[in-house]
Amino acid sequence: GENVEQHPSTLSVQEGDSAVIKCTYSDSASNYFPWYKQELGKGPQLIIDIRSNVGEKKDQRIAVTLNKTAKHFSLHITETQPEDSAVYFCAASPNTGGFKTIFGAGTRLFVKA
Amino acid sequence: DVKVTQSSRYLVKRTGEKVFLECVQDMDHENMFWYRQDPGLGLRLIYFSYDVKMKEKGDIPEGYSVSREKKERFSLILESASTNQTSMYLCASSLRGRGEQYFGPGTRLTVT
Repeated sequence: GENVEQHPSTLSVQEGDSAVIKCTYSDSASNYFPWYKQELGKGPQLIIDIRSNVGEKKDQRIAVTLNKTAKHFSLHITETQPEDSAVYFCAASPNTGGFKTIFGAGTRLFVKA
Repeated sequence: DVKVTQSSRYLVKRTGEKVFLECVQDMDHENMFWYRQDPGLGLRLIYFSYDVKMKEKGDIPEGYSVSREKKERFSLILESASTNQTSMYLCASSLRGRGEQYFGPGTRLTVT
């Protein structure tokens, strides 16, 4: 079946450093790629998303890049802060309706003060 | 702000019991979803609904059923709970045609 692979599963960085999380997807029909952040005791929350007609999108300290040819997309967090510590999920969806969104296994990010 | 609420944060049930997990959203979203979250496996879709009384199986529907009698409410039912259904259950909703999903806080279910 279709799947999304996410790496690394755990990432530890020093406050102020950058963090990069990478995902690959298998379904060529995927055209919507959201990223969710899950803090302890809460449900996942969308932090940024990108559609297939765009190669890069940035929102303050967060950026996402997409390479449709290679079926790769990545999340970049710059100037990390302790409050960035959370579990991050990438996902891929064949349409913006959200049906059959496939999630990666998650990356637990630790930002050390 | 969109709000998705789930009836319980923690539940402990015995093997064989019938379990109901309730989810309510207050933003008039057409789509609602039930996922289970397990370490190392991410979020896996159990069922989704795109309209009242409509439901579609997700990737892991075995052992579960759902009910959507009202637009704002989506229920997950475990007909006969088993220990392998011990997990975190997340409900989500989204607008028709939009990819962003809004999640509830989750219900951690333990089946003993």
